[in-house]
Amino acid sequence: EIVLTQSPDFQSVTPKERVTITCRASQSIGSSLHWYQQKPDQSPKLLIKFASQSFSGVPSRFSGSGSGTDFTLTINSLEVEDAATYYCHQTSSFPLTFGGGTKVEIK
Amino acid sequence: EVQLVESGGGLVMPGRSLRLSCTGSGFTFGDYAMSWFRQAPGKGLEWVAFIRSKVYDETAEYAASVKGRFTISRDDSKDVAYLQMNSLTTEDTAVFYCVRNGQGWQQLASYWGHGTLVTVSS
Repeated sequence: EIVLTQSPDFQSVTPKERVTITCRASQSIGSSLHWYQQKPDQSPKLLIKFASQSFSGVPSRFSGSGSGTDFTLTINSLEVEDAATYYCHQTSSFPLTFGGGTKVEIK
Repeated sequence: EVQLVESGGGLVMPGRSLRLSCTGSGFTFGDYAMSWFRQAPGKGLEWVAFIRSKVYDETAEYAASVKGRFTISRDDSKDVAYLQMNSLTTEDTAVFYCVRNGQGWQQLASYWGHGTLVTVSS
């Protein structure tokens, strides 16, 4: 099973600040790494697919990078509406797995 | 617009069964793989089951925690995916999400339903 380790677990950020979340895989997964945003009492929404491709309708302040075992989600100029938990997710092999999540709070 | 609507959740006693349904619209249902994920209260996301499209023989994959107890299936004539859950335990209490994956066999979880709550309790 591929283990995804996300960091940090929690981040308190002021609006307009840049947020960086990292996800490390226990083995190489190429670019089969995706990022989701989940707001309280809502279902997850796909932000970034295959490490760096923006999903349809996602604001351009969200971007992703990385390959192999190390990946990064960046939120440029954080907005109040970005308060949420962010998860990385790998589809390189079954069982499909998720990182533990990073909760982003607005100061 | 892609829409996924889950139904069938509720309160069930340990050891009993429950069947979840997911109706898709806004896309050609039969062309896509489908999945179920879940999220226990206050916890993270967990993949449960995955079924490929008919072109790929509707073959399925399961998480170790549910293998042998849960069965995913689909009825493309009705645009519905199912999750039959047997021998439920309190550890299965969660919001269950239906997900549309990519075409055929592709595993990217693109669209999520709103979820249905399953509570296993005596």
